[in-house]
Amino acid sequence: QVQLVESGGGVVQPGRSLRLSCAASGFTFTTYAMHWVRQAPGRGLEWVAVLSYDGSNKYYADSVKGRFTISRDNSKNTVYLQLNSLRAEDTAVYYCARAPYTIYWFDHWGQGALVTVSS
Amino acid sequence: EIVLTQSPDFQSVTPKEKVTITCRASQSIGSSLHWYQQKPGQSPQLLVKHASQSFSGVPSRFSGSGSGTHFTLTINGLEAEDAATYYCHQSSGLPQTFGQGTKVEIK
Repeated sequence: QVQLVESGGGVVQPGRSLRLSCAASGFTFTTYAMHWVRQAPGRGLEWVAVLSYDGSNKYYADSVKGRFTISRDNSKNTVYLQLNSLRAEDTAVYYCARAPYTIYWFDHWGQGALVTVSS
Repeated sequence: EIVLTQSPDFQSVTPKEKVTITCRASQSIGSSLHWYQQKPGQSPQLLVKHASQSFSGVPSRFSGSGSGTHFTLTINGLEAEDAATYYCHQSSGLPQTFGQGTKVEIK
């Protein structure tokens, strides 16, 4: 069955960096776009970034543009989110999610990775 | 940015009752509207895609309708396991956006 497993979360100081990973299994990874969506504690969902199935197109929310970078390694069935210049407002659970096309619905989600930005 | 506004924010409902959640878009998005259920401590799960297409494995009591700027999610015959927060999501354009969520509590 489809599985998405995030890792790499933790506590980090403001201004520092972190890299999240999302390992995919149970489907043909190279035919799906991959997204990151975050949820601050007690808040709603916020779309963060998307990478097309072949890595040729990537888009970001304005709130993270220039600080976060999405990438994928199709040989490892893994998508990454590099988080730089972290701020307190980046504190959230970060979910990776699969989409049939680049800008479409999310049909499977991971369990999430908590990132806490605090001094 | 397309803003999605859900109503109500909170609803307390008796089992077997019908639940209707509304999502309004700030501009026309055709049928590019999807619904998710998120139970406490869990990740969101897709219920309805393209406004009215039920996702595989979702119970038939969940249905969606609407187009343009006005959409609804209906739960016909609420069950105790349906206690959750429900979100609408648009994929008409970037950035993709979500409604603020509707929390459904079981009385």
